[in-house]
Amino acid sequence: AQSVTQPDIHITVSEGASLELRCNYSYGATPYLFWYVQSPGQGLQLLLKYFSGDTLVQGIKGFEAEFKRSQSSFNLRKPSVHWSDAAEYFCAPRRDDKIIFGKGTRLHILP
Amino acid sequence: NAGVTQTPKFQVLKTGQSMTLQCAQDMNHNSMYWYRQDPGMGLRLIYYSASEGTTDKGEVPNGYNVSRLNKREFSLRLESAAPSQTSVYFCASRQGANQPQHFGDGTRLSIL
Repeated sequence: AQSVTQPDIHITVSEGASLELRCNYSYGATPYLFWYVQSPGQGLQLLLKYFSGDTLVQGIKGFEAEFKRSQSSFNLRKPSVHWSDAAEYFCAPRRDDKIIFGKGTRLHILP
Repeated sequence: NAGVTQTPKFQVLKTGQSMTLQCAQDMNHNSMYWYRQDPGMGLRLIYYSASEGTTDKGEVPNGYNVSRLNKREFSLRLESAAPSQTSVYFCASRQGANQPQHFGDGTRLSIL
């Protein structure tokens, strides 16, 4: 069965520090890969996506993600976080029309 | 530039009442989705419609029904609301194999 795991429910980092949010998936073949962000009280916004080609993809707001086929992972990174990055982040792999999300990682930023 | 529109934005029901959540998209997308979001559970797929005239169960379909009325509209119905269905409901749509989903702003539903 298809599944996606975001092992960290909460992460706290200091403003200006680097960030890595983990996402692992279990699919029969490499899925399309997406990261979304949700600010409090808002809907979801696409951060970035990976389909093929270069395994390091750039997204909005200075985020990037790296696809590692051998680890079935698509981890989200940012070199230096800003207070406005405090939000919940969701990984969503997809192979067909049935799109399942990870449970999300809530990011807290310390001043 | 509406995108995905959900109505209502807020609703309070009593246990046993029925309710239909409406979703419409103006992007000519083929696929549409209903999710519920609960604290610590992420987004869970209730039902989806890959194209007009088709619907399929997601992860948590029990207690819900859907109708893909036409290409634009995808409604979610609670026939007999239960407190366990208190949640925030999101509708999304998508077009194309490698395209992301576009989300509505959500409907906050409370069942007393």
